[in-house]
Amino acid sequence: GAVVSQHPSWVICKSGTSVKIECRSLDFQATTMFWYRQFPKQSLMLMATSNEGSKATYEQGVEKDKFLINHASLTLSTLTVTSAHPEDSSFYICSALSLPTNEKLFFGSGTQLSVL
Amino acid sequence: ELKVEQNPLFLSMQEGKNYTIYCNYSTTSDRLYWYRQDPGKSLESLFVLLSNGAVKQEGRLMASLDTKARLSTLHITAAVHDLSATYFCAVPQGAQKLVFGQGTRLTINP
Repeated sequence: GAVVSQHPSWVICKSGTSVKIECRSLDFQATTMFWYRQFPKQSLMLMATSNEGSKATYEQGVEKDKFLINHASLTLSTLTVTSAHPEDSSFYICSALSLPTNEKLFFGSGTQLSVL
Repeated sequence: ELKVEQNPLFLSMQEGKNYTIYCNYSTTSDRLYWYRQDPGKSLESLFVLLSNGAVKQEGRLMASLDTKARLSTLHITAAVHDLSATYFCAVPQGAQKLVFGQGTRLTINP
């Protein structure tokens, strides 16, 4: 089946620093990728929809200047958490829609971010 | 606004027993997804239900979809410990976005 690679799996950083998370579709092209965050023992909340070659669409309440999304190619989307604070600590998961059917959504392995 | 609700949210059961997780959603949709998540891990796709009356089975898990009732069920038959996990249903909103239920944390005891 299709594989979505997410890197890093976990990261610990100091408050005020920026962290970049990569999401790659390894064996298929993905015009659209999604970024979710999940707090402990809660459901997944969509943060933004990333479209290749255009600006991301952010969900209500998600700060676009804080969570920078870049989808520069059909196989790579990145999420940068800028000036991270402890409240940004969370599990971040990317997903990608497979072409051509766009029916199945494949998830990355997730990134556990801990901000000290 | 699409709302997706799962019931129950927590389920503790004994090995060998049967049980059903329910997923209700508030607006019309002809497809629904079920995922499994183990602690600290990402989501594993279990089922994609694409039409009214769709039924899919994999091992001890069976999922069904009733689009008229806006209801999907995930049935567990003769549960085993390995099935302990959190199960999510998700419904598309628009062409691509998925809205997830709250998740059902399933614990299966020997």
